[in-house]
Amino acid sequence: DARVTQTPRHKVTEMGQEVTMRCQPILGHNTVFWYRQTMMQGLELLAYFRNRAPLDDSGMPKDRFSAEMPDATLATLKIQPSEPRDSAVYFCASGLVGGDRVGNQPQHFGDGTRLSIL
Amino acid sequence: SQQGEEDPQALSIQEGENATMNCSYKTSINNLQWYRQNSGRGLVHLILIRSNEREKHSGRLRVTLDTSKKSSSLLITASRAADTASYFCATAPIWGNNRLAFGKGNQVVVIP
Repeated sequence: DARVTQTPRHKVTEMGQEVTMRCQPILGHNTVFWYRQTMMQGLELLAYFRNRAPLDDSGMPKDRFSAEMPDATLATLKIQPSEPRDSAVYFCASGLVGGDRVGNQPQHFGDGTRLSIL
Repeated sequence: SQQGEEDPQALSIQEGENATMNCSYKTSINNLQWYRQNSGRGLVHLILIRSNEREKHSGRLRVTLDTSKKSSSLLITASRAADTASYFCATAPIWGNNRLAFGKGNQVVVIP
């Protein structure tokens, strides 16, 4: 079965350090999503890309977070500088979406990066 | 943003019993999706039901949608220990950017 692959699975670092999370979407999927999951807030959409172009990053703190897709097989989410409140599980998901209606198809999730900022 | 809200939030049942979860939402939707999340893993898509559909089946799963009451239910029949997981509903609104909005999830424990 095709899968979304995320690395690293776990990351522990100190406040102020740069954190980069990577995602390999399912081959052929044209839309990539980044989510953050916490106990308090649940699952929040941070940003998503269509055909590698950023479509919406309104859920992301702009001053410290950035998301890119250097090529069709790699999406990255970067936090610089990191803060303790960024501790969460970060999920990447991909899907094959037609048109602008990103919610009309299933999304396929990776197993996440569990991030702890000390 | 609109979110689904699952009820009950935690459910504990014996293996072989049926488990029913409900999801309510507030605005008009294009579709509603159910996902499962096992501990330490990502979400897995289970079923998508469109706003013009009332019921859908997949194996031991049955999903209903009542758009007049803005609610959906997920029924797992003949539950197994492997069904122990959190179950999320997600709604895709008709208007705006149509992004999926996830509920907080139901935790289901199936006791062998």
